[in-house]
Amino acid sequence: EPEVTQTPSHQVTQMGQEVILRCVPISNHLYFYWYRQILGQKVEFLVSFYNNEISEKSEIFDDQFSVERPDGSNFTLKIRSTKLEDSAMYFCASSEGSGNQPQHFGDGTRLSIL
Amino acid sequence: GNSVTQMEGPVTLSEEAFLTINCTYTATGYPSLFWYVQYPGEGLQLLLKATKADDKGSNKGFEATYRKETTSFHLEKGSVQVSDSAVYFCALSDRNTGFQKLVFGTGTRLLVSP
Repeated sequence: EPEVTQTPSHQVTQMGQEVILRCVPISNHLYFYWYRQILGQKVEFLVSFYNNEISEKSEIFDDQFSVERPDGSNFTLKIRSTKLEDSAMYFCASSEGSGNQPQHFGDGTRLSIL
Repeated sequence: GNSVTQMEGPVTLSEEAFLTINCTYTATGYPSLFWYVQYPGEGLQLLLKATKADDKGSNKGFEATYRKETTSFHLEKGSVQVSDSAVYFCALSDRNTGFQKLVFGTGTRLLVSP
């Protein structure tokens, strides 16, 4: 069964550094998402992406965050200048369409900011 | 705004016991409701869904019924197995946001002992 893949599984970065988290969505999917889960807290929506542009973003997704689909397969989340509070598990998801189409999640990238 | 409330965990059961994990929601529109499961070290997997009132979602022996009158979507299974040990997340998406954003509950950890 096709799946969403995320790399790396664990990223350790110094505070203030830039980090890029990578995702390969399922190939025929058109909608892409990023979520994060701070340890012990809820899974929170960050951003959705469709037709090469952001379709919705949360208040968490400020100017430090950006997303990109640089080619036909990858979907990336960039954090420009990381803060300690960015430490979390980041999940990428994709779906075939909007409406009631289910979102398929990757295994996540654990981001640790030192 | 939209929100999902789940019962606190962990839920500890013996094999073959009956499982109920409570989930209630608040939504401004007409939500679709989901249960996701996260096995240790893995991402979120869709377990079941229901898209309108009185729908019953089912998969792998798990069931949940969309109850609009009580704004609930409780997860049940008649006889749990050790392999069901995981974290279970209730979630909703809303027509008002184009169904693009999943709003999650805090997750309920289920521990099944032999």
